[in-house]
Amino acid sequence: QQPVQSPQAVILREGEDAVINCSSSKALYSVHWYRQKHGEAPVFLMILLKGGEQKGHEKISASFNEKKQQSSLYLTASQLSYSGTYFCGTEWGSGGYQKVTFGTGTKLQVIP
Amino acid sequence: GAGVSQSPSNKVTEKGKDVELRCDPISGHTALYWYRQSLGQGLEFLIYFQGNSAPDKSGLPSDRFSAERTGGSVSTLTIQRTQQEDSAVYLCASSLARNTEAFFGQGTRLTVV
Repeated sequence: QQPVQSPQAVILREGEDAVINCSSSKALYSVHWYRQKHGEAPVFLMILLKGGEQKGHEKISASFNEKKQQSSLYLTASQLSYSGTYFCGTEWGSGGYQKVTFGTGTKLQVIP
Repeated sequence: GAGVSQSPSNKVTEKGKDVELRCDPISGHTALYWYRQSLGQGLEFLIYFQGNSAPDKSGLPSDRFSAERTGGSVSTLTIQRTQQEDSAVYLCASSLARNTEAFFGQGTRLTVV
């Protein structure tokens, strides 16, 4: 089942903050976040495991609420380089294996 | 190689022809994924390999699509009797194990005319 991301698109001015949300209808083992710039392959940002932990990558951090089956990506003091499409991938499955299914993405544009 | 390699990078084919897309994952990566991305769209899951086994083929759009992986390494995605709606970028990713970073290849841009 594909996770749902919101918002679908957002425009920020440099220095502003943004939150991207990801929710799933299925119980999750982990949540993966990737960023894809136009014409390029997706690039890994972070993985969050069960336990509601929060992780950070420079000024980008994320949380994972296992009970709510939700994750949020926080971008603080945004930079022009943050522009791109952000995908959350949710890992779920049974039978000893899991697969990662991605949401439809959130297009983020940071302007001067 | 240092990263995930996909070939060809671009493929233009006539409707009804068969195509093969190749993915060379990072050496030692046991998990391999195929995704499809249509213009401006998200990443559509196609198939997942753990070693040579494909425990989940649920994402394959139709029986015209098939994939295999040999030697726990190279994978081939085959599309038979291509249709115009098959036009997309096909991305391959590999990871060392569960809950680890997946590395994506640059993709194969398939255009069916």
